[in-house]
Amino acid sequence: QSALTQPASVSGSPGQSITISCTGTSSDVGSSNYVSWYQQHPGKAPKLMLYQVSHRPSGVSNRFSGSKSGNTASLTVSGLQAEDEADYYCSSYTTTNTYFFGTGTKVTVL
Amino acid sequence: EMQLVESGGGLVQPGGSLRLSCAASEFTFRSYWMNWVRQAPGKGLEWLANINQDGSEKYYVDSVKGRFTISRDNAKNSLYLQMNSLRAEDTAVYYCARSPPAFDIWGQGSMVTVSS
Repeated sequence: QSALTQPASVSGSPGQSITISCTGTSSDVGSSNYVSWYQQHPGKAPKLMLYQVSHRPSGVSNRFSGSKSGNTASLTVSGLQAEDEADYYCSSYTTTNTYFFGTGTKVTVL
Repeated sequence: EMQLVESGGGLVQPGGSLRLSCAASEFTFRSYWMNWVRQAPGKGLEWLANINQDGSEKYYVDSVKGRFTISRDNAKNSLYLQMNSLRAEDTAVYYCARSPPAFDIWGQGSMVTVSS
């Protein structure tokens, strides 16, 4: 068992768009529509940003969008804002009824 | 407001045991799968275990299988994690979280420190 692979860091200027990738295998991301994304600010609990690849919970900005192709899922944040600076984690349900989280990506707003 | 509140964390010696609790409020607890997720200091999230609505199905990550046990009491709207044979590498903030289709409600976390 191992975590899903994310880039360690991504940065962008205010107003720009960034994309975070999340690469797994055919036993998790590649075979599951239960791929979700979480935002975590320092010292806080994670917050659900997207579920089932591309669905936004109520209250989450439409600047956050998601997609999946094969074994890789992606989170795009458009119109980057200072408040978006945080750690982001993907997660996927697996074929063995367990979950994996991604390694995490630190987003910096320049 | 739907809420999860963890309790039971603290300092424990290597090889010791600890039981975490998670109290749910303002949603129908018995209708949901529940999970435990942890985060070691400065590290990423690690899913540990989940349990179905009536407690008949439980799944664990390999690193805690045989040492940790997840359980629930629907009458008390509570989730538990019994942790035995604790190791230094189990030091982390432990979160309970509701699912599926994703972990949509999280508790504030309970810190567990394993040290002599």
